[in-house]
Amino acid sequence: KNEVEQSPQNLTAQEGEFITINCSYSVGISALHWLQQHPGGGIVSLFMLSSGKKKHGRLIATINIQEKHSSLHITASHPRDSAVYICAGLGHGGSQGNLIFGKGTKLSVKP
Amino acid sequence: GAGVSQSPSNKVTEKGKDVELRCDPISGHTALYWYRQSLGQGLEFLIYFQGNSAPDKSGLPSDRFSAERTGGSVSTLTIQRTQQEDSAVYLCASRPPGQPYNEQFFGPGTRLTVL
Repeated sequence: KNEVEQSPQNLTAQEGEFITINCSYSVGISALHWLQQHPGGGIVSLFMLSSGKKKHGRLIATINIQEKHSSLHITASHPRDSAVYICAGLGHGGSQGNLIFGKGTKLSVKP
Repeated sequence: GAGVSQSPSNKVTEKGKDVELRCDPISGHTALYWYRQSLGQGLEFLIYFQGNSAPDKSGLPSDRFSAERTGGSVSTLTIQRTQQEDSAVYLCASRPPGQPYNEQFFGPGTRLTVL
């Protein structure tokens, strides 16, 4: 079992739909990072959060530390949102600072 | 301002050769990370530099892999006697000083192909 699990692995949506990607982790982490990777490989940081909720434009990320769960929501999805979304837990202690990655969720938004 | 840059963007080498991959972090960023993404696989941590502290090498897959960071800035990841399973995209990220949970900024990666 991976330490950071994402679901679904693949997601196809119609333009305008509300999208939720889930991330659960079994290790102790100090924060959780949501990343976006476009075709061609470039990775962009979306959010780093350690509690509560963050919002940026149409993107919302939430985290529940007690339940070891985070969600990324996209409102009014658009084809340009098509990408792989990756959650990553930030390690504690000796590995403080390095990320433990989920395998990613491949999102395809159809026009 | 300039982001994280990596060079080369693509590297094709023959099995058994050594390769060096370079990362230029964002100026002023004290933390630097190397990650690897193999085809069809997720990202995996390789090594982490924080200021003048000893690097966290816990993710390096074998002793053929090494990295250094000179002057607290540029970093070089060296893979000796490359193997086909080393083929992957190697990503570098840097983080500004302060809390470890400041966001990391990723470079475009170096795609390594070992023939």
